[in-house]
Amino acid sequence: AQSVAQPEDQVNVAEGNPLTVKCTYSVSGNPYLFWYVQYPNRGLQFLLKYITGDNLVKGSYGFEAEFNKSQTSFHLKKPSALVSDSALYFCAVYILTGGGNKLTFGTGTQLKVEL
Amino acid sequence: DTEVTQTPKHLVMGMTNKKSLKCEQHMGHRAMYWYKQKAKKPPELMFVYSYEKLSINESVPSRFSPECPNSSLLNLHLHALQPEDSALYLCASSQDQRNSFYEQYFGPGTRLTVT
Repeated sequence: AQSVAQPEDQVNVAEGNPLTVKCTYSVSGNPYLFWYVQYPNRGLQFLLKYITGDNLVKGSYGFEAEFNKSQTSFHLKKPSALVSDSALYFCAVYILTGGGNKLTFGTGTQLKVEL
Repeated sequence: DTEVTQTPKHLVMGMTNKKSLKCEQHMGHRAMYWYKQKAKKPPELMFVYSYEKLSINESVPSRFSPECPNSSLLNLHLHALQPEDSALYLCASSQDQRNSFYEQYFGPGTRLTVT
């Protein structure tokens, strides 16, 4: 089955330290991968995407993600975490179905950045 | 303008009521989506409209009825809901559902409570 997985329910990091939120994928064909962030009681905000080209993708708010085809991973990273980065993060991939393309989300990772 | 708006922000309804959720975007997007999200869980796709035609229905119960009056508007009509339907309902749009590389833009959601 085609899917994405986020192996960590929660990640804790101290402010100023680098952060990584992990995502692995399983798709047939070329993967189109996305990261979204959700703050409490809000909708999802698009952070970045990998379609093709450079394996290091830069996105909003200083976030970046590294596409690794051999490890089927697309981990989200930030060199220096802020308390305001604390939120729920979702990795997602498009899957082609009979009705067209459908965005499938991972289970989410709660990021907590502490002072 | 990358905004998707949703009304109302909050809705409380009884099991015998009829109500509607509304979504609007003015980005010229031709794909619009309805998702249901429970707390701390990923969004679950309900419906997709592509060029104002229903392209995906994820086997959603008939008490939920979508409508796409034009390319900018998306409605979700609710009737005879159950308490387990209480959730955050998210609307999203993207440039075109036929291609997998367009990100989706999400609205802030409607918090629905069924009593």
